[in-house]
Amino acid sequence: DSGVTQTPKHLITATGQRVTLRCSPRSGDLSVYWYQQSLDQGLQFLIQYYNGEERAKGNILERFSAQQFPDLHSELNLSSLELGDSALYFCASSSPPGGGASEQFFGPGTRLTVL
Amino acid sequence: AQTVTQSQPEMSVQEAETVTLSCTYDTSESNYYLFWYKQPPSRQMILVIRQEAYKQQNATENRFSVNFQKAAKSFSLKISDSQLGDTAMYFCAFAQNTGTASKLTFGTGTRLQVTL
Repeated sequence: DSGVTQTPKHLITATGQRVTLRCSPRSGDLSVYWYQQSLDQGLQFLIQYYNGEERAKGNILERFSAQQFPDLHSELNLSSLELGDSALYFCASSSPPGGGASEQFFGPGTRLTVL
Repeated sequence: AQTVTQSQPEMSVQEAETVTLSCTYDTSESNYYLFWYKQPPSRQMILVIRQEAYKQQNATENRFSVNFQKAAKSFSLKISDSQLGDTAMYFCAFAQNTGTASKLTFGTGTRLQVTL
């Protein structure tokens, strides 16, 4: 158990819908990262937040947005869903704001299926 | 932009044997970190080993060790005394040390099967 929690574990929805994925980082971790793992794109970085502020952005679609709240939990919002958005979405957390030496602890992921 | 390449989609090794997974990367940066992550069938991402680019000494963690060749931009993972529990996808990952953000760039993975 990494200490990072993600809800829900599984999510099945229809095209065009909107969903929210939730992540609670390890106690004391200020940085939260979101990654998408799909069959065709592999593991891709989406976005990073540190203590409520956006720090880095990757290949995140405009239909996707994220935020980190004062209690440090984070939410990833996916809207106008398409079949290709079906993937495993990981949240990871680390302590300092950056520096590659900081280990990122991954949550168990949310499996999103868009029908 | 950094890229990470894992040229072995699948590998198989017998229990108790040694196996080496390959990884190459491309970057113009000098200050960075490299990682190997394991993803078993449970899908959980687990850090196996980490290497700081400024350290010449290769990292080791019990049965896991790396061969880091900075000039060649190569970072292979050696698993000794392979166990059935080592069966998993293994991802090589790169993180630039910017001081403020450290997104991971992953390779496409190597599926390792440990057999009896």
